[in-house]
Amino acid sequence: DVKVTQSSRYLVKRTGEKVFLECVQDMDHENMFWYRQDPGLGLRLIYFSYDVKMKEKGDIPEGYSVSREKKERFSLILESASTNQTSMYLCASSMRTGVAKNIQYFGAGTRLSVL
Amino acid sequence: DAKTTQPNSMESNEEEPVHLPCNHSTISGTDYIHWYRQLPSQGPEYVIHGLTSNVNNRMASLAIAEDRKSSTLILHRATLRDAAVYYCILRDGYYGQNFVFGPGTRLSVLP
Repeated sequence: DVKVTQSSRYLVKRTGEKVFLECVQDMDHENMFWYRQDPGLGLRLIYFSYDVKMKEKGDIPEGYSVSREKKERFSLILESASTNQTSMYLCASSMRTGVAKNIQYFGAGTRLSVL
Repeated sequence: DAKTTQPNSMESNEEEPVHLPCNHSTISGTDYIHWYRQLPSQGPEYVIHGLTSNVNNRMASLAIAEDRKSSTLILHRATLRDAAVYYCILRDGYYGQNFVFGPGTRLSVLP
């Protein structure tokens, strides 16, 4: 079974802190994604990566950066956390080509609270 | 990616079939129709996808209208575990890499 693992289920941080959210997948997928999910707004794409060291902005990249130094790992960075970044963060991965690219595998999510 | 419209919520009784509708009147010829669901406190999970023909798998069936402007996800016998938010998503089959999730349909299953 494909596994997408997010490093923390719950995280509490203070305003202004630098926050790292880590995601690891074990299926050699080329694509990896970071979403945030808020009530009434659904899932919104923050950034995605289609290869090591490659990144593309999603719909809401402001206030975030990402890092993909290894194929299996995709990190989301909040340089200076703010209260409006309190949210559920979801990581996903998929193959880049072929029929299987239609299937995204998601982690369980990290619920981040910024106080 | 083209937009989809789903009811906000639906209710079903346990062990009865459930038909979850999705309208996508602006679908293009290369858009695939995908369904994902999100159980409480979990990330979304893949359910099924199709292009033109109806599709079946162990989780569900996907019925696609002949003009492709609508589709229906069919759960043949709903269980309590099927209570979730169901998302209908269109994505270009050639160039699309990411998914655009709408608000989805919240399905409640009554015992």
